[in-house]
Amino acid sequence: KAGVTQTPRYLIKTRGQQVTLSCSPISGHRSVSWYQQTPGQGLQFLFEYFSETQRNKGNFPGRFSGRQFSNSRSEMNVSTLELGDSALYLCASSLDGVGETQYFGPGTRLLVL
Amino acid sequence: DQQVKQNSPSLSVQEGRISILNCDYTNSMFDYFLWYKKYPAEGPTFLISISSIKDKNEDGRFTVFLNKSAKHLSLHIVPSQPGDSAVYFCAARISGGYQKVTFGTGTKLQVIP
Repeated sequence: KAGVTQTPRYLIKTRGQQVTLSCSPISGHRSVSWYQQTPGQGLQFLFEYFSETQRNKGNFPGRFSGRQFSNSRSEMNVSTLELGDSALYLCASSLDGVGETQYFGPGTRLLVL
Repeated sequence: DQQVKQNSPSLSVQEGRISILNCDYTNSMFDYFLWYKKYPAEGPTFLISISSIKDKNEDGRFTVFLNKSAKHLSLHIVPSQPGDSAVYFCAARISGGYQKVTFGTGTKLQVIP
């Protein structure tokens, strides 16, 4: 089985722009979670989607949004980018998001200038 | 508020010796704990987990210990190998809820040959 894939792998944007990141989960996995990793902060939970519905949300401003498509692929959008949004954005998938292990993608490295 | 804390940002150990990585948590509702390993340019990979009904779980060279009264867990790697050099994240969640995992800030382990 192919693993979790994320595109693009690297991205450079300027303040005020918006960005869309994509995540394709492992085939058959219906739960997709997004995390932000920054130095000193570890991985911080953004949100989790299952069957096109957001089931869980972390403590991030409304500039961070996401969606999930019927094929379980997910996108994350950040609007009005700030310098502090520079981070590694990780996507993880699991079968149904309850109890089993998550499998992570390699992440998208976003740099905001 | 960092509910899962890894107070040691880095750790160096000689090959063949024991590596002990520590993690503390503050939320008494957490009842399932996980360790992930992360190599550069890759997403975290699941290593080992433990339920709060246990105080020890072993998988090959990796053992996780849980002290609920102290809200403390540790990962022991014996013997340590150079390939174990990576960032280790401790994580916790509340069972029964949807996938919302709280991660620590990570400990970078270097195993010196």
